[in-house]
Amino acid sequence: AQSVTQPDIHITVSEGASLELRCNYSYGATPYLFWYVQSPGQGLQLLLKYFSGDTLVQGIKGFEAEFKRSQSSFNLRKPSVHWSDAAEYFCAVGADAGGTSYGKLTFGQGTILTVHP
Amino acid sequence: KAGVTQTPRYLIKTRGQQVTLSCSPISGHRSVSWYQQTPGQGLQFLFEYFSETQRNKGNFPGRFSGRQFSNSRSEMNVSTLELGDSALYLCASSLKPGGNTEAFFGQGTRLTVV
Repeated sequence: AQSVTQPDIHITVSEGASLELRCNYSYGATPYLFWYVQSPGQGLQLLLKYFSGDTLVQGIKGFEAEFKRSQSSFNLRKPSVHWSDAAEYFCAVGADAGGTSYGKLTFGQGTILTVHP
Repeated sequence: KAGVTQTPRYLIKTRGQQVTLSCSPISGHRSVSWYQQTPGQGLQFLFEYFSETQRNKGNFPGRFSGRQFSNSRSEMNVSTLELGDSALYLCASSLKPGGNTEAFFGQGTRLTVV
């Protein structure tokens, strides 16, 4: 069965500092990987996705993520954090056809980002 | 174009009652998935519908059910509500089912069971 681990429950950074949120996945085949962001009381907004090809993917709001198959990781990065980036971030893996995981996203537990001025 | 619309946004129900939540997907999207989000369990998959057929179901009791209509709109129903059903219920729509497709989420329905 697929699984996602986000080792950091809470991260605090200063505005303007760089950011890296960690994500490790477990999946038997080529994974489809996503990062979502959620503001309090809101739904999830897709930041970026990896399906295949170039392992460094660019997303919205200046975020990027790098897929490393050897490390089963898909870490999210941003060179300079803005106060408006404070939110909860979720990494997810999607399963393709076949099996009990078909069509569903499996999410990590989330990382809460606090940004200090 | 309009995003995913979930109604109502907030609900308060009493234990033992039942509740129906609604989700209107993005125009042209035919796949709808439902997720439950709680502080303790995080985001958990409930079920996924495509072309009015349930394609997959998560590990939830039979009290949780859903359906999809011919216009792709979906409803989920929870019967005999328990306190533990209090959660944010999120609906996601996609062009097609499968892991290699973008899922767009609605704002969610906050259900409180008292």
